[in-house]
Amino acid sequence: DIQMTQSASSMAASVGDRVTITCRASQSINSYLNWYQQKPGKAPKLLIYAASTLQSGVPSRFSGTGFGTDFTLTISGLQPEDFATYYCQQSYDTSLYTFGQGTKLEIK
Amino acid sequence: QLQLQESGSGLVKPSQTLSLTCGVSGGSISSVGYSWNWIRQPPGKGLEWIGYIYQSGSTYYNPSLKSRVTISVDRSKNQFSLKLSSVTAADTAVYYCARGLPSYYYYGMDVWGQGTTVTVSS
Repeated sequence: DIQMTQSASSMAASVGDRVTITCRASQSINSYLNWYQQKPGKAPKLLIYAASTLQSGVPSRFSGTGFGTDFTLTISGLQPEDFATYYCQQSYDTSLYTFGQGTKLEIK
Repeated sequence: QLQLQESGSGLVKPSQTLSLTCGVSGGSISSVGYSWNWIRQPPGKGLEWIGYIYQSGSTYYNPSLKSRVTISVDRSKNQFSLKLSSVTAADTAVYYCARGLPSYYYYGMDVWGQGTTVTVSS
């Protein structure tokens, strides 16, 4: 199995901040890395696929980087609606997709 | 605009079979290259991928659940289904269905149902 590890289970930030969430894969996954945002009681929402491609309709303050095993999701200029839980997911192993444990972004 | 909607039993007794259906509207489940996924989320926990099916009928299951899971597709009704047998309390979760994008989109899951809560209890 490819294990996905998000370095922080939670983090606190203020509106307007620049925030970076990191995700590490237990083996190389090339660019097969997707990021999701989940708000309480709601389904996850795809933000970024292929490590750095913004899904249609997602604000440009979201960006993703990385290749191989190390990936980051950056939110530039946090908005109140961005406080949520973020998950990374590898789709390199198409026989077993795995998610990171999630990073909850809270208001400082 | 494609929409997914889960339906099925919200309460299942231990050792019985959980059955859920995901109805697809605004698009065809027979679209080539897309996968149709089930994901679950236990209360207060993270996301676990259960498995997916292609319109061809090819299936892939999480090995940790493989012996108990069946995903099927009904093209005539534009829906796909999940059956999970021999359930225990550990299967209590919110169950989501989601569409998986084709390979050139690196298989991201772009459309999700709202989720349905399944509780395993006698």
